[in-house]
Amino acid sequence: EAQVTQNPRYLITVTGKKLTVTCSQNMNHEYMSWYRQDPGLGLRQIYYSMNVEVTDKGDVPEGYKVSRKEKRNFPLILESPSPNQTSLYFCASSLHTGALETQYFGPGTRLLVL
Amino acid sequence: AQSVTQPDIHITVSEGASLELRCNYSYGATPYLFWYVQSPGQGLQLLLKYFSGDTLVQGIKGFEAEFKRSQSSFNLRKPSVHWSDAAEYFCAVGEGYSTLTFGKGTMLLVSP
Repeated sequence: EAQVTQNPRYLITVTGKKLTVTCSQNMNHEYMSWYRQDPGLGLRQIYYSMNVEVTDKGDVPEGYKVSRKEKRNFPLILESPSPNQTSLYFCASSLHTGALETQYFGPGTRLLVL
Repeated sequence: AQSVTQPDIHITVSEGASLELRCNYSYGATPYLFWYVQSPGQGLQLLLKYFSGDTLVQGIKGFEAEFKRSQSSFNLRKPSVHWSDAAEYFCAVGEGYSTLTFGKGTMLLVSP
């Protein structure tokens, strides 16, 4: 089944403890991205990647890192999480780069930083 | 910069009644326009998209949307709402190789 998977789905952590949220797609998509969703703010893009080893900042990149060593994986790294990073995170992918491409979303990761 | 406005934070509609969700965009050229739906506990799913041609676009689950350039709008409609349509709906805009800009969402509640 074609899908985008994220792990973990739920995570509670404490301020400053490094964490990684994994994202994997099995559709051979070139483009992958991370969003955060906050009440009243909709979805905001954190980082995106147009292909392997090509990443760029989105609208809200502060406090996050990403890597794209393989086409299928695009992990989101929080080196030193803070409470303002408590949010619902979505990974998405599309076949190619471009606004016209349909994006496929993962199920989301709900993060609570204490 | 492109922007998307969804004026209604939440809307309540009776089951079987018609639905219209509003979306206004701000963009210089002809944008690509999208509607996504997010069911509770799920990721976003594409309902429909517009990039050129016929301004009335048909999507999945019986939804349609109409692009009106003069009003900078791309409103989502459904003639008869089902309880399973209760979800949050996001309008999004993009162009070329740009990333999508999402609206803040409209929560649809369906009453019996």
